[in-house]
Amino acid sequence: AQSVTQLGSHVSVSEGALVLLRCNYSSSVPPYLFWYVQYPNQGLQLLLKYTSAATLVKGINGFEAEFKKSETSFHLTKPSAHMSDAAEYFCAVSFRNPNTGNQFYFGTGTSLTVIP
Amino acid sequence: EAQVTQNPRYLITVTGKKLTVTCSQNMNHEYMSWYRQDPGLGLRQIYYSMNVEVTDKGDVPEGYKVSRKEKRNFPLILESPSPNQTSLYFCASSLSSDYGYTFGSGTRLTVV
Repeated sequence: AQSVTQLGSHVSVSEGALVLLRCNYSSSVPPYLFWYVQYPNQGLQLLLKYTSAATLVKGINGFEAEFKKSETSFHLTKPSAHMSDAAEYFCAVSFRNPNTGNQFYFGTGTSLTVIP
Repeated sequence: EAQVTQNPRYLITVTGKKLTVTCSQNMNHEYMSWYRQDPGLGLRQIYYSMNVEVTDKGDVPEGYKVSRKEKRNFPLILESPSPNQTSLYFCASSLSSDYGYTFGSGTRLTVV
């Protein structure tokens, strides 16, 4: 069965500090992995994705994530947090099911607070 | 501009009054889906569609209907809304499983 677990529903960091948002997945087939960001009162925006090429993926706004198959993880990081990074972040896994088409599974989200 | 358009953005309605939330995409995507977002529960899939005239239930389909008569449109229908359907709803479309979703801006529904 496929699933996504985001550790920590709320994360607070100081401005300028490292951001680390954790995501672990479970998949019986090679997964595609995504991070989405949701700013207040907005829809979800794709931050970055892993699709079996380079294991270190760079996204928008200075974020990056590393796919670690042995740890079934896809943690999101940013070296230095900005106030504008305050948002809800969702990890997602997808795969192609021949019977039901694209299947996406989302984590429950992590709310990031940046402290001035 | 490639996008998913949802309407309305905000809707307050009364229990039992049928409503439709529209969703349209201009990217020729085959796969479309509806999600609801509730605090602490993340995104839960309501219905999805693999192509025209092909729809299937997601994780929380009770109380909802969908149709896919055209590739670009995927409306969400609440025949008899109830207060527990108060939520933030998102429509999304995808080209393929490695492409990811493009999301609409959301519809905040309140049922009183």
